[in-house]
Amino acid sequence: AQTVTQSQPEMSVQEAETVTLSCTYDTSESDYYLFWYKQPPSRQMILVIRQEAYKQQNATENRFSVNFQKAAKSFSLKISDSQLGDAAMYFCAYRSREETSGSRLTFGEGTQLTVNP
Amino acid sequence: GAVVSQHPSWVICKSGTSVKIECRSLDFQATTMFWYRQFPKQSLMLMATSNEGSKATYEQGVEKDKFLINHASLTLSTLTVTSAHPEDSSFYICSARDYRTGRAGELFFGEGSRLTVL
Repeated sequence: AQTVTQSQPEMSVQEAETVTLSCTYDTSESDYYLFWYKQPPSRQMILVIRQEAYKQQNATENRFSVNFQKAAKSFSLKISDSQLGDAAMYFCAYRSREETSGSRLTFGEGTQLTVNP
Repeated sequence: GAVVSQHPSWVICKSGTSVKIECRSLDFQATTMFWYRQFPKQSLMLMATSNEGSKATYEQGVEKDKFLINHASLTLSTLTVTSAHPEDSSFYICSARDYRTGRAGELFFGEGSRLTVL
């Protein structure tokens, strides 16, 4: 079974600065997806960024980028120019590409990000 | 993006009663929906996978007689918490995948439903 670990329960960053959230995972599969989701106080899950394991290039979405290290099974999220609206709980998630998995997501424990003005 | 709607967003019930939570895909058809449970400041734990027209697949440790899941149409899945007790109080979230995108498709999440059992 796959596991996802986020070792930082809480992080804080000053507005306009950069912060990196860590995520490691364990799997025996070679092809899979990795995601970062944001859950603001409204509790709505919002997809931040997605990485396909077979792609070596790190995904980027505006101020959000990842550092995907497949051999190390590491998938960190970098938020640049942090904004107050970035404050939320961030979840790292794994999804197998195996047909038997049915697209289920396995989530990490989450990292609560605080952005200080 | 696609929209998934949950109803009700907040429900309070008495111990021993049953509560139904609906999850609807508003602008796409979903052959598969997922139900998660989230305790305060914790992660999302998958409870079951709901497949249209067939029985749900429950995760280990989830009581299928306690948490009844029905996926009778391509746009609606329901979770019924039967004989609810205070320990069932939690935040329940559903997610769905557009069947046209296949297994690679993005999952869309509902807004969640907060259940409080008195």
